[in-house]
Amino acid sequence: AQSVAQPEDQVNVAEGNPLTVKCTYSVSGNPYLFWYVQYPNRGLQFLLKYITGDNLVKGSYGFEAEFNKSQTSFHLKKPSALVSDSALYFCAVGDNQAGTALIFGKGTTLSVSS
Amino acid sequence: DTGVSQDPRHKITKRGQNVTFRCDPISEHNRLYWYRQTLGQGPEFLTYFQNEAQLEKSRLLSDRFSAERPKGSFSTLEIQRTEQGDSAMYLCASSPLEGRGNQPQHFGDGTRLSIL
Repeated sequence: AQSVAQPEDQVNVAEGNPLTVKCTYSVSGNPYLFWYVQYPNRGLQFLLKYITGDNLVKGSYGFEAEFNKSQTSFHLKKPSALVSDSALYFCAVGDNQAGTALIFGKGTTLSVSS
Repeated sequence: DTGVSQDPRHKITKRGQNVTFRCDPISEHNRLYWYRQTLGQGPEFLTYFQNEAQLEKSRLLSDRFSAERPKGSFSTLEIQRTEQGDSAMYLCASSPLEGRGNQPQHFGDGTRLSIL
């Protein structure tokens, strides 16, 4: 069965420091991987995706993610965190069993302190 | 591009009542998805449409749940005989048709359902 794991419920970083939000996946075949961000009482906003190609994917708002096939990971990174990056982050994988649906992780709350 | 629109934003109802939510996708998007999100969890896929065809509905939570997209534009999600456990955020998303599943989905702000 396909799945996504986000091992950290919360990540705390100081403004200006680099941040990493971890994600591992389990899929059969080639994975379609995504990161989304959610602000309180809002829907999810797309940040970036990996389909094929370069293992380092660049996305919106200065975020990037590193795909590692051997470790089945797709960690979200940003070189310098902003207080405004504080939000709930979801990793997702395309569901091969349900057409084009997404399977989401439980989410990681990022808190950036000033 | 006005984004995905969902109505209402909040719905409070008594247990046993029927509720219907509406989703208007981005106009040029052929695919439309419904998800449910409960507190502390990621969104859980319910069903999706390609144009007016409902291509996957086995993930609907029970036969009390149904969805329609009659003209391939807006969609409705109905829950009959609501139960306490139906309290959640219901999210709609849309995406272009190209590709099997590698197009990002664009989400609305959701409808929060509270069952009294």
